[in-house]
Amino acid sequence: GAVVSQHPSWVICKSGTSVKIECRSLDFQATTMFWYRQFPKQSLMLMATSNEGSKATYEQGVEKDKFLINHASLTLSTLTVTSAHPEDSSFYICSARVTSGRSYNEQFFGPGTRLTVL
Amino acid sequence: GENVEQHPSTLSVQEGDSAVIKCTYSDSASNYFPWYKQELGKGPQLIIDIRSNVGEKKDQRIAVTLNKTAKHFSLHITETQPEDSAVYFCAVNFGNEKLTFGTGTRLTIIP
Repeated sequence: GAVVSQHPSWVICKSGTSVKIECRSLDFQATTMFWYRQFPKQSLMLMATSNEGSKATYEQGVEKDKFLINHASLTLSTLTVTSAHPEDSSFYICSARVTSGRSYNEQFFGPGTRLTVL
Repeated sequence: GENVEQHPSTLSVQEGDSAVIKCTYSDSASNYFPWYKQELGKGPQLIIDIRSNVGEKKDQRIAVTLNKTAKHFSLHITETQPEDSAVYFCAVNFGNEKLTFGTGTRLTIIP
């Protein structure tokens, strides 16, 4: 099956610093990846759609200057939380979408990154 | 709008019994309906999905049924085991590349 990795799995940072999270599709190419945020005991909330070679598309209410997304290759998307504050503490999860074959349109998720901002 | 409702929010069943979780959606143009299992501290794992041209799909103890007329689909887990305990999310693709998720069901299997 399709495998998606995330790094780091957890990170603790001080308020005001920036944190970068990587999302990689390990065994398939993904022109489209997605970034979600999940608060405790809640569902996944889509933050943005990351498109290889073009600008990300952000959901309403998500600040694009605060959550910088770069999708520089067909297997890597990065999310940078800039000037992080305690309210940014959350579980960030990426997914990669399959665009061909039997698994067309399926999304496979990474293991998530737990961000804690002190 | 694109809306997905999921019920129940919590479900406890005796080991060996069956569990059923139901989702309803708002847009008849929807064409892809996956179910995800999420264990504590981990990312969601795709367990089964169904596309709009099929009414039922089964994979061992897990099955999904789709009623497009009524706009609902259900996850069925038979012969439940303790390792089935997790949070389950349904999702719907409303004709674009994004998924809209249900609110989740916390399933607890009682040994």
